[in-house]
Amino acid sequence: QVQLQESGPGLVKPSGTLSLTCAVSGGSISSSNWWSWVRQPPGKGLEWIGEIYHSGSTNYNPSLKSRVTISVDKSKNQFSLKLSSVTAADTAVYYCARAFVLVGYYYYYMDVWGKGTTVTVSS
Amino acid sequence: QSVLTQPPSASGTPGQRVTISCSGSSSNIGSNTVNWYQQLPGTAPKLLIYSNNQRPSGVPDRFSGSKSGTSASLAISGLQSEDEADYYCAAWDDSLNAFYVFGTGTKVTVL
Repeated sequence: QVQLQESGPGLVKPSGTLSLTCAVSGGSISSSNWWSWVRQPPGKGLEWIGEIYHSGSTNYNPSLKSRVTISVDKSKNQFSLKLSSVTAADTAVYYCARAFVLVGYYYYYMDVWGKGTTVTVSS
Repeated sequence: QSVLTQPPSASGTPGQRVTISCSGSSSNIGSNTVNWYQQLPGTAPKLLIYSNNQRPSGVPDRFSGSKSGTSASLAISGLQSEDEADYYCAAWDDSLNAFYVFGTGTKVTVL
């Protein structure tokens, strides 16, 4: 049973860089899945941030693309998120998730989720 | 940024049937399959329905999904108190800058 666990600083200063890691256990990050980040501001809905394949290929949300970098470390079986130039609007619960993708992106869904980690942007 | 529109709320008494709509466009629901996620208070989202109408193992059959054109819907039959949660539809969007889009979310209240 694959499990995901997010980790990283819970507080980031404005204009700084948010950095989170998602550890994958019970399975290999080199499987035929994509690995995603999703966030949820307080009291608001879900927003897809982006995803990475074990080869290093990435896709990002156009609204965040200029500030987001997602990377993978196969040796540690984990992947990471960096979000630069953060503001209070980036305060959210950040989730990592495993994505199943088939036939292009015709079939695409996230079937395993981490419990989430809260990141607050404040000085 | 959500391009999938859901009603903000829905409610019903125990045992009733509740339906949630999800309206999109030709670049998302019209082109790809729809998924539904359930988010219980204070917890991570959980995959409820995938590929328009498939239930993952362990999801009760009182949850069902359907899709027609650029819209989709989630039905909860025999509503139970533990179904009180937020529900999100989602689909891949094939627009110029392709990305995964979630619906605006619907809060289901069991009266």
